[in-house]
Amino acid sequence: KQEVTQIPAALSVPEGENLVLNCSFTDSAIYNLQWFRQDPGKGLTSLLLIQSSQREQTSGRLNASLDKSSGRSTLYIAASQPGDSATYLCAALTDSWGKLQFGAGTQVVVTP
Amino acid sequence: EAGVAQSPRYKIIEKRQSVAFWCNPISGHATLYWYQQILGQGPKLLIQFQNNGVVDDSQLPKDRFSAERLKGVDSTLKIQPAKLEDSAVYLCASSLLRQQETQYFGPGTRLLVL
Repeated sequence: KQEVTQIPAALSVPEGENLVLNCSFTDSAIYNLQWFRQDPGKGLTSLLLIQSSQREQTSGRLNASLDKSSGRSTLYIAASQPGDSATYLCAALTDSWGKLQFGAGTQVVVTP
Repeated sequence: EAGVAQSPRYKIIEKRQSVAFWCNPISGHATLYWYQQILGQGPKLLIQFQNNGVVDDSQLPKDRFSAERLKGVDSTLKIQPAKLEDSAVYLCASSLLRQQETQYFGPGTRLLVL
């Protein structure tokens, strides 16, 4: 059974510092790895999707890497801003029908 | 393009009562998902529809939860009777097809069972 872990559960950084968020998964047989953002009282917003054949994906200040052999993905957010404060979740796509296995998330606070 | 719509946004009920949630996916999206997110945890898939048919309901507590998707569009999720441990946010998501497609999430329904 696939298990997805995100450590730490919470993180606080000063504005301008780079953010590094970690995600680990136990079964390397994944179709893709996705990163989501969740704001309080709201649903999830997709940030990046890395296919199993890819090593990384970039969008603006966001960069995500994937190392299937070690069961790890890392989300980098450059030059953090207070607006980046949210909970970030990673999810592994575990079957061909689209079933996502989520981690519990990392709650990020960026202080001005 | 309109996003995934869910209603109600909040619901408070007493245990043993019944409750229903509604979801309207993005137009043209064939796949619809219902997730349960308990406070402090990631979302857990309850049921997945491909058009009208159920693809995966392995984690749906079928003795109390039921879901349907009429005409391959809107969907309802029902809990009857509710238990205290059902307190959670219920998220609906949709995608064009499946597998490597991005899932788009609605705002969720926050349920509190007293």
